[in-house]
Amino acid sequence: NAGVMQNPRHLVRRRGQEARLRCSPMKGHSHVYWYRQLPEEGLKFMVYLQKENIIDESGMPKERFSAEFPKEGPSILRIQQVVRGDSAAYFCASSPRGQVSHEQYFGPGTRLTVT
Amino acid sequence: AQSVTQLGSHVSVSEGALVLLRCNYSSSVPPYLFWYVQYPNQGLQLLLKYTSAATLVKGINGFEAEFKKSETSFHLTKPSAHMSDAAEYFCAVRNTGNQFYFGTGTSLTVIP
Repeated sequence: NAGVMQNPRHLVRRRGQEARLRCSPMKGHSHVYWYRQLPEEGLKFMVYLQKENIIDESGMPKERFSAEFPKEGPSILRIQQVVRGDSAAYFCASSPRGQVSHEQYFGPGTRLTVT
Repeated sequence: AQSVTQLGSHVSVSEGALVLLRCNYSSSVPPYLFWYVQYPNQGLQLLLKYTSAATLVKGINGFEAEFKKSETSFHLTKPSAHMSDAAEYFCAVRNTGNQFYFGTGTSLTVIP
């Protein structure tokens, strides 16, 4: 049973380019969460999605960031016109349902470097 | 609003010594509490979780944590540190919302 998969593991973009980060949840999981981890900091919640629905995007920056979880395929976190401050590790997590007692299972992360 | 405070961003212990990593939470309702471990360049792995059953929770790799409501604490302990325990440890809280609130992490160094 494969865990949460993220690709790419490392991504380098120049300022102004677009970054696309992909997340495939664990089999049977229909809830996906995205987090950002800046150096020397904890994880900060960005967005919570179910299939074809954004449930909570209160942690997403208002501009340039978007996320989707289509009916088929992985969840995508898209960052347009990247800036140096977007350099961070982006983690995806999944859970089988949205119950609060359920832990989230984390992927290995995508480390984005903006040059 | 939820928050999690991890006292001590860096903790060093000798191999074989007691490990104590501190976590305090603020929550207006009884929370669900979690400890995760992160090894370099990897994602987070669940160590243990408290979900209002027993207040003393046992996790993987010999770790355990005790929920103390009166102190709003959920400290992580291990009786005897091993070199392989060197990692970053995160405490997290979740209640009725969909968000996990993570502490800023504690980096554990084990000295041979």
